[in-house]
Amino acid sequence: EVRLVESGGGLVQPGGSLRLSCIVSGFTFSDNYMDWVRQAPGKGLEWVGHSQNKANGYITQYAASVQGRFTISRDDAKKSLYLQMDSLKTEDTAVYYCVRPHTWTGAFDIWGQGTVVTVSS
Amino acid sequence: DIVMTQSPDSLAVSLGERATINCKSSQTLLYSSNNKNFLAWYQQKPGQPPKLLFYWASTRASGVPDRFSGSASGTDFTLTVSSLQAEDVAVYYCQQYYSTPWTFGQGTKVEIK
Repeated sequence: EVRLVESGGGLVQPGGSLRLSCIVSGFTFSDNYMDWVRQAPGKGLEWVGHSQNKANGYITQYAASVQGRFTISRDDAKKSLYLQMDSLKTEDTAVYYCVRPHTWTGAFDIWGQGTVVTVSS
Repeated sequence: DIVMTQSPDSLAVSLGERATINCKSSQTLLYSSNNKNFLAWYQQKPGQPPKLLFYWASTRASGVPDRFSGSASGTDFTLTVSSLQAEDVAVYYCQQYYSTPWTFGQGTKVEIK
């Protein structure tokens, strides 16, 4: 069974940091790009960024709203994806989803259940 | 960035009736190399992550009932539910994966009338 399990969410003060993790199973993680998508309370979906695979040099790309504050990394041996979030703002409050884009189509075919991040004083 | 605009924001449809959701992209999503539109549709039910319904605008994902269909005309895309069922109550999103940053429509909430 293909699974993505996020962890690491919680309550953090503005300006603080948090590191999210996503552990995957059921597919060859190292072959895949991996993405993070977030959803603020009662709002729509927003792409956060992605990590390309080893064959593409682990290139990372980010949304403008998080560029310079968030860093995506991965450990293929541990089948894990990470999202380091620094200089957090109240507007970063959201459910963060770990997402797998399908290798051929690029559409997001597998989603984790999400982890909740709340930025508040 | 490519802007995705959905309409309507919400709609209420009677059970068994047709529901139609529109999505317009600010630029082409058609890759000339494979003649595919890089447009996906997702369904999100309360408390759940989104679920992929369609990729390449009109290719149904595995397990999606055939009452759902997707179509494309230029930069206009449509998701149709031919006969709405109670379990189809959800928010539906379109998304372009033609160029980064990947962007989503604002969502369309579908309810039962």
